[in-house]
Amino acid sequence: GAVVSQHPSRVICKSGTSVKIECRSLDFQATTMFWYRQFPKQSLMLMATSNEGSKATYEQGVEKDKFLINHASLTLSTLTVTSAHPEDSSFYICSAPLVGQQGSPLHFGNGTRLTVT
Amino acid sequence: SQQGEEDPQALSIQEGENATMNCSYKTSINNLQWYRQNSGRGLVHLILIRSNEREKHSGRLRVTLDTSKKSSSLLITASRAADTASYFCAQGAQKLVFGQGTRLTINP
Repeated sequence: GAVVSQHPSRVICKSGTSVKIECRSLDFQATTMFWYRQFPKQSLMLMATSNEGSKATYEQGVEKDKFLINHASLTLSTLTVTSAHPEDSSFYICSAPLVGQQGSPLHFGNGTRLTVT
Repeated sequence: SQQGEEDPQALSIQEGENATMNCSYKTSINNLQWYRQNSGRGLVHLILIRSNEREKHSGRLRVTLDTSKKSSSLLITASRAADTASYFCAQGAQKLVFGQGTRLTINP
C-alpha cells in the first residue's frame, strides 16, 4: 500500500541550530503534502500545506521564516525548523493524500520527535 | 476554529467490550474521516463516510453520521488490546482539521 516515509524519527538539537525533517511519498506522487504539529496528548494542528513547484501555504500564526518548507519534487517535502528554541520541541508529522482530491484520506509519516535543549 | 470535539476524551474498557467514541463538528461537510494513532506514531486512516451516508462498516468498525446534528460516532466491537490508541475524527475540503481525539485503553 501507499506509504509516506518521514525521517528522522527522533532528533535532539541545541537551541539556535536548525533541523531538517524529510517527508517522502513512496510509490505515489504527492503534489501536496501537509505538515502537522502535535503536543503531548493533544490533537494535530495543521502548520502548512506544501505545494510542489510553488510556495507553501502557512496557517495563521505559523511563522514561515521559522518553519521553512520546500517541496523539491513530486515525492519529497522538507520542513526545516530554523533557529530552534525549546518551545519548538514537539511531534511533527507529515501527510499526503493518495488521490489528489479534496478531502481524500491522508497517508501519514510516522512523525519526528524534536527535542530542543 | 473549525476543530471538532470528541468525547469522551479518554475511555478505558475491558477486552471484548464495545467502545463508542463521538465526534461533533461545526461546518457542513462533504465527508468525515476517522483515524487511529498509536502512541508516538503517525495516523492511520480507518474509514471515510460521505455526507449522504448514514452508516458504514469496516470489519469491527461501525461509523454513523448525523448531518442534522453535525455528529458522528465510531463503534469498535469486540475490542482487543491492540485497539489501544487515540482515535480522531477529521473533516475538511482542502485540508483536514482534526478533532481533539479520544484516548482508548483496552484492558486485558
